Amino acid sequence: SQQGEEDPQALSIQEGENATMNCSYKTSINNLQWYRQNSGRGLVHLILIRSNEREKHSGRLRVTLDTSKKSSSLLITASRAADTASYFCGGSNYKLTFGKGTLLTVNP
Amino acid sequence: EPEVTQTPSHQVTQMGQEVILRCVPISNHLYFYWYRQILGQKVEFLVSFYNNEISEKSEIFDDQFSVERPDGSNFTLKIRSTKLEDSAMYFCASSGEVSGANVLTFGAGSRLTVL
Repeated sequence: SQQGEEDPQALSIQEGENATMNCSYKTSINNLQWYRQNSGRGLVHLILIRSNEREKHSGRLRVTLDTSKKSSSLLITASRAADTASYFCGGSNYKLTFGKGTLLTVNP
Repeated sequence: EPEVTQTPSHQVTQMGQEVILRCVPISNHLYFYWYRQILGQKVEFLVSFYNNEISEKSEIFDDQFSVERPDGSNFTLKIRSTKLEDSAMYFCASSGEVSGANVLTFGAGSRLTVL
């Protein structure tokens, strides 16, 4: 299974702080993707990192990938209350599978 | 921005009834998926569909489930005889090949409640 497993399950921070979420997966992947889900809504793609990349940035997002450890991290800098959501990672060889996600709460 | 649309947004049904959930994927996408999320749980892969046939399915996707692309735009998930444990949010997603990576665009979901 290429399932992503996110850690921690829940994270609560103050607005302006950085949030770091981790992801582990089990088998080789072509790429790893992060998605966010606002309560009860569909997942929205945030960022993709390919297996031959180690780090990628997009706005306030920074993703790292360590294929030797089969792990990834998502850093959200200068968090805002609007970042409150669940975050999921998925390893992909065309089929994306996800874990339970990290529920991030950013307190104003 | 193109989007994936799903109907109905919420359906309540009696156990044993058949349910059809409908999805209109993004028009130039080639790959279609169904996922489900039981309240508070992970987003579980059900099935992927490409070139008018199932390309992969999970253990959850048993004989009670079927998918169909009846025309050029709709993609449906049918549950033949619903069970209480089928109560969940069902998400449709589609993707077009993007340089070898499948980035999924999800719909807003259909909430199924089985009584």
